[in-house]
Amino acid sequence: KQEVTQIPAALSVPEGENLVLNCSFTDSAIYNLQWFRQDPGKGLTSLLLIQSSQREQTSGRLNASLDKSSGRSTLYIAASQPGDSATYLCAADTDKLIFGTGTRLQVFP
Amino acid sequence: GAVVSQHPSWVICKSGTSVKIECRSLDFQATTMFWYRQFPKQSLMLMATSNEGSKATYEQGVEKDKFLINHASLTLSTLTVTSAHPEDSSFYICSASGLAEQETQYFGPGTRLLVL
Repeated sequence: KQEVTQIPAALSVPEGENLVLNCSFTDSAIYNLQWFRQDPGKGLTSLLLIQSSQREQTSGRLNASLDKSSGRSTLYIAASQPGDSATYLCAADTDKLIFGTGTRLQVFP
Repeated sequence: GAVVSQHPSWVICKSGTSVKIECRSLDFQATTMFWYRQFPKQSLMLMATSNEGSKATYEQGVEKDKFLINHASLTLSTLTVTSAHPEDSSFYICSASGLAEQETQYFGPGTRLLVL
């Protein structure tokens, strides 16, 4: 049974810092690994999708890496801004999406 | 980009009543729709998967008779919470995917249900 864990559970940083959010999964037989952003009381916004054959994906200040063999993915956020404050969820796609519990990020000015 | 809408965005109802939540894909045909539930400070948990024109597949522990799912068209799926109770209060999110294999799921904005 796939289990997805995210650390840290919460993170509070000053604006401008570079951040690393961690995601681990127990079953390496995944189609892809996805990162989402969720604002309070809102739905999910897809950030990055890494196919199982890929090692990383980049979009703007975001970079996500995937190491299937070790069951890990990281989301790197460069030069964080207050607008980045949200909960970040990773999800491992087997035949369905299994979500982690998220990292609640607060970036203060 | 692909847009998925949900209606209503929030609903308050009395215990014992039924509530219907709609999920629509606005600009693409959704062959598969997913329903998730999210309790406070917890992650999303898949409740069921529905394919257009066929019966939904429910995850273990989700009551089929309580959470009725209908996916009658390629752009609309509905979730009906029957005889709702306070413990059904949650944030319900749908997602939809199209024909491409392993395509990204596009998520709706969610519906917050409060059962009094």
